[in-house]
Amino acid sequence: SAVISQKPSRDICQRGTSLTIQCQVDSQVTMMFWYRQQPGQSLTLIATANQGSEATYESGFVIDKFPISRPNLTFSTLTVSNMSPEDSSIYLCSVLGGAGGHYNEQFFGPGTRLTVL
Amino acid sequence: AQSVTQLGSHVSVSEGALVLLRCNYSSSVPPYLFWYVQYPNQGLQLLLKYTTGATLVKGINGFEAEFKKSETSFHLTKPSAHMSDAAEYFCAVSRSNDYKLSFGAGTTVTVRA
Repeated sequence: SAVISQKPSRDICQRGTSLTIQCQVDSQVTMMFWYRQQPGQSLTLIATANQGSEATYESGFVIDKFPISRPNLTFSTLTVSNMSPEDSSIYLCSVLGGAGGHYNEQFFGPGTRLTVL
Repeated sequence: AQSVTQLGSHVSVSEGALVLLRCNYSSSVPPYLFWYVQYPNQGLQLLLKYTTGATLVKGINGFEAEFKKSETSFHLTKPSAHMSDAAEYFCAVSRSNDYKLSFGAGTTVTVRA
């Protein structure tokens, strides 16, 4: 399984500002994903980030609000732009991995807990 | 489109008792099915998965789940609960062609001594 780290682990931000979350993987991976977990809720996919192509966003999420970079096979960033209190959530990155050539499961980072005041 | 329904947002069991968490899914294509566990203030950890083959799958920490296509279910069980099983459990489904996960609402498990 891949080892995934995220920075920062948590932050408290003022409304109207932006925060960039970093996701680092200890091995090269093709597919990375960003999820949001709002307080007391389940996880919702924000976007899929593949190296060498533009991120693809799910319904309800737009690039202007959540720009994503994927400069190489071990790193990605998610920016939460022009934040409002409704953006207070845990943001998690994940990577597609597996064993025996069967890459069909996702491994998750520890998450970034964001509070917007 | 695909979706997941977890029956029961909270489950309380006695230590040593059976743990049963229910999950039903809908998917337009043969699904991949997963159970994840989230301990307080931690990320998600994969418990087990079904992709193809044997419909009864065993995972970590003594958990297992059975894929029943006719019932569109993937219920999670553990014969004997331990205090360390207290956590939130998520059932998830993905398609084989894009691997995007759709999660259920989650079930919080508490274990009584």
